[in-house]
Amino acid sequence: GNSVTQMEGPVTLSEEAFLTINCTYTATGYPSLFWYVQYPGEGLQLLLKATKADDKGSNKGFEATYRKETTSFHLEKGSVQVSDSAVHFCALSDREDSSYKLIFGSGTRLLVRP
Amino acid sequence: KAGVTQTPRYLIKTRGQQVTLSCSPISGHRSVSWYQQTPGQGLQFLFEYFSETQRNKGNFPGRFSGRQFSNSRSEMNVSTLELGDSALYLCASSSGTSGISGELFFGEGSRLTVL
Repeated sequence: GNSVTQMEGPVTLSEEAFLTINCTYTATGYPSLFWYVQYPGEGLQLLLKATKADDKGSNKGFEATYRKETTSFHLEKGSVQVSDSAVHFCALSDREDSSYKLIFGSGTRLLVRP
Repeated sequence: KAGVTQTPRYLIKTRGQQVTLSCSPISGHRSVSWYQQTPGQGLQFLFEYFSETQRNKGNFPGRFSGRQFSNSRSEMNVSTLELGDSALYLCASSSGTSGISGELFFGEGSRLTVL
């Protein structure tokens, strides 16, 4: 079945460092891909999305490119801030008839130190 | 536009009891999905409802059930609670018919502790 694999955390960085969180997927067809972020004590917020190969999703300085050839959707940010500290989840949409569900990776905790 | 609202935010139950969680989706959204989040299993899909009908179901035992009302509000119920049911239960809504496939908007969750 479809699945998402993302790098183990925690990832600890100093403020203004470059961030990469790796995400690869296994899927039949061409699912939409997402990054969601979860701050302590909160639900999930959509960070960015891409719906087809070579699409680049971007938001709040974060970027990810849908790479069909490597089945990857790595999250990057050029200069992280303390406020980016959270758990980041990579996900793909899995379609069954007219219904969609999200399949999530295990999450990567990001800790940014001042 | 108000977001997805889940109640209660926190609750404590004992083994064998049952629990009902409520979710109000974003206005105009007709699809409501439920996910369970635990440290060991991560985020797992429970079920999805659209126009009062269950369209999709995850791999959970029959103790987990849900329903959706005509105003799109949804409830999920867990009967005969077990310690392993302790989790954050997240509700998510979407239009269900158009837009980005699989783009969901999540509530803040209901944290259930089973003692």
